[in-house]
Amino acid sequence: QVQLVESGGGVVQPGGSLRLSCAASGFTFSNYGMHWFRQAPGKGLEWVAFLWYDGNNQNYTDSVKGRFTGSRDNSKSTLYLQMSSLRVEDTAFYYCVRGAHCIGSNCVPPFEFWGQGTLVTVSP
Amino acid sequence: DVVMTQSPLSLPVTLGQPASISCRSSQSLVHSDGNTYLNWFHQRPGQSPRRLIYKVSNRDSGVPDRFSGSGSGTVFTLKISRVEAEDVGVYYCMQGTHWPPWTFGQGTKVEIK
Repeated sequence: QVQLVESGGGVVQPGGSLRLSCAASGFTFSNYGMHWFRQAPGKGLEWVAFLWYDGNNQNYTDSVKGRFTGSRDNSKSTLYLQMSSLRVEDTAFYYCVRGAHCIGSNCVPPFEFWGQGTLVTVSP
Repeated sequence: DVVMTQSPLSLPVTLGQPASISCRSSQSLVHSDGNTYLNWFHQRPGQSPRRLIYKVSNRDSGVPDRFSGSGSGTVFTLKISRVEAEDVGVYYCMQGTHWPPWTFGQGTKVEIK
């Protein structure tokens, strides 16, 4: 069965750095794009980053561009999010989410599988 | 960016009664490939979101058939034919046609009266 397990969250001061990891299992990781989403406590969902299946292309929401860097190690089926210059407003649960996998025009739709989330708290 | 607007934001419902949530997008969600990438998610307190519906009306495996999605263009609806206690939580629509970014509605909180 598909599993996504995030780790690396914690408490950090503004301006600090943190690296999140997401260990994937139960599917061929290297075939799928992967996303990071976040949710501030008591707030709605926000997309953060997308890494294409090979990690060579990435997309980020505007508020994290230049501060967050996604990467992946397909040999370890692991997704990463390096967060730097953290701000109070980055405080949130961060979720690793499986994206789409397409062969020609046939695609496995994205967003079916989510991790349990890891909490990042940025506080003075 | 595509703005997704849900209504209502709060929905008190009676067990066994129907419920309906509306989601509107600021531009058509019809992709150049002919598909409409509109998803619905359900999030219970303390849990990760769960996808219920993809491409407007396709129910995920294990999702009860009392849930249905419909709509086209810029107007979409999630309906629950008969609300059960386990249906409480927050429902989100999300578009995946015009990306990046992928964007969500504000969420609709469903609670039992």
